[in-house]
Amino acid sequence: DIQMTQSPSSVSASVGDRVTITCRASQGISSWLAWYQQKPGKAPKLLIYAASSLQSGVPSRFSGSGSGTDFTLTISSLQPEDFATYYCQQANSFPSFGGGTKVEIK
Amino acid sequence: EVQLVESGGGLVQPGRSLRLSCAASGFTFDDYAMHWVRQAPGKGLEWVSGISWNSGSIGYADSVKGRFTISRDNAKNSLYLQMNSLRAEDTALYYCAKALILNPGIAAAFDYWGQGTLVTVSS
Repeated sequence: DIQMTQSPSSVSASVGDRVTITCRASQGISSWLAWYQQKPGKAPKLLIYAASSLQSGVPSRFSGSGSGTDFTLTISSLQPEDFATYYCQQANSFPSFGGGTKVEIK
Repeated sequence: EVQLVESGGGLVQPGRSLRLSCAASGFTFDDYAMHWVRQAPGKGLEWVSGISWNSGSIGYADSVKGRFTISRDNAKNSLYLQMNSLRAEDTALYYCAKALILNPGIAAAFDYWGQGTLVTVSS
């Protein structure tokens, strides 16, 4: 099984800040990585797939990078609606998720 | 518009069974793999099970293997999860999720999610 490790588990930031979340896979997964945003009481929302492809309708301030075992989600300028929990997920084999990163208001 | 609507959750005693259903609409159901993902209260996401478009490929998380069975009925645009020998640690919100791309297997990202159905296992 492929384990996904996200860091940090939480981050405090202000509107306009650049935020970076990392995700590491326990073995190489090529570019088979997705990122999701989840707000309280809501289902997760797909942001990025194939490591760097922006899902339709997702603002361009979200970007993803990486391949192999190390991946990054970047929010270039944090907006009020971006305060949420973010998860990475590998799609190379049976899916598995990272533990999540909560982006909180500073 | 893609819609996924889960049902069948509820309060059940440990050791008992429950069957979840997911009704899909707004896309060609039998083109895509489908999955169940759960989230325990206040916890992260956990993939539970997935099934390919033709049921030819099925997978389970180790935590549910041997107890849960996934199935689908393409004629009814429906996905199911039969959960037997339920444990307290199975308590969670169970989401139905659609695979992003056409794929013969079940490795996938998920582009649409239902709102979930809550399963509570307690005596």
